[in-house]
Amino acid sequence: EPEVTQTPSHQVTQMGQEVILRCVPISNHLYFYWYRQILGQKVEFLVSFYNNEISEKSEIFDDQFSVERPDGSNFTLKIRSTKLEDSAMYFCASSYGVYPNYGYTFGSGTRLTVV
Amino acid sequence: AQTVTQSQPEMSVQEAETVTLSCTYDTSESDYYLFWYKQPPSRQMILVIRQEAYKQQNATENRFSVNFQKAAKSFSLKISDSQLGDAAMYFCAYGKGGSQGNLIFGKGTKLSVKP
Repeated sequence: EPEVTQTPSHQVTQMGQEVILRCVPISNHLYFYWYRQILGQKVEFLVSFYNNEISEKSEIFDDQFSVERPDGSNFTLKIRSTKLEDSAMYFCASSYGVYPNYGYTFGSGTRLTVV
Repeated sequence: AQTVTQSQPEMSVQEAETVTLSCTYDTSESDYYLFWYKQPPSRQMILVIRQEAYKQQNATENRFSVNFQKAAKSFSLKISDSQLGDAAMYFCAYGKGGSQGNLIFGKGTKLSVKP
């Protein structure tokens, strides 16, 4: 069964550093998403992306965050200057069509630890 | 604003027994979808079951079924013949029809299965 692949599985970074989280969505999917989950809390929507531009974003997704699909296969989330409160699990997801008609698939997540 | 509430932080069930996880939501939309996601210790988000709001029939998926009470805005998950592998966090989620990815999650219910 096709999978959404996220790398790395765990990243530790110093406060103030830039990080890039990488995702390889399912190949024929057209819609891409990032969610985050602070430890012990609920999963929160960050951003959705379609046709090389952001479709929707939450209030969490401020100027420190950016997304990109640099080469037609990868989908990245960049945090420019990490803060302690950015420590969380970050999930990438993709779908073929506008959910929820098609549903979408989550990756296994990247655990980001900011120290 | 839409909200999703899971009032049971933790639940426990004996292997082979049945357990019901509760979820309520609030929305003024008529076109929406509801989901249950499972998050095992590996932290991956796995879709268990989904329900279209316009469908009166409750969704079922093998041992998993829902009790969708639209007027009461209730969406409970029933797990029959519980197995050890069902032990996980379960998240209820709401999605507005036609939107591009903004799933709203509840805080989750941690399910333990006793052998």
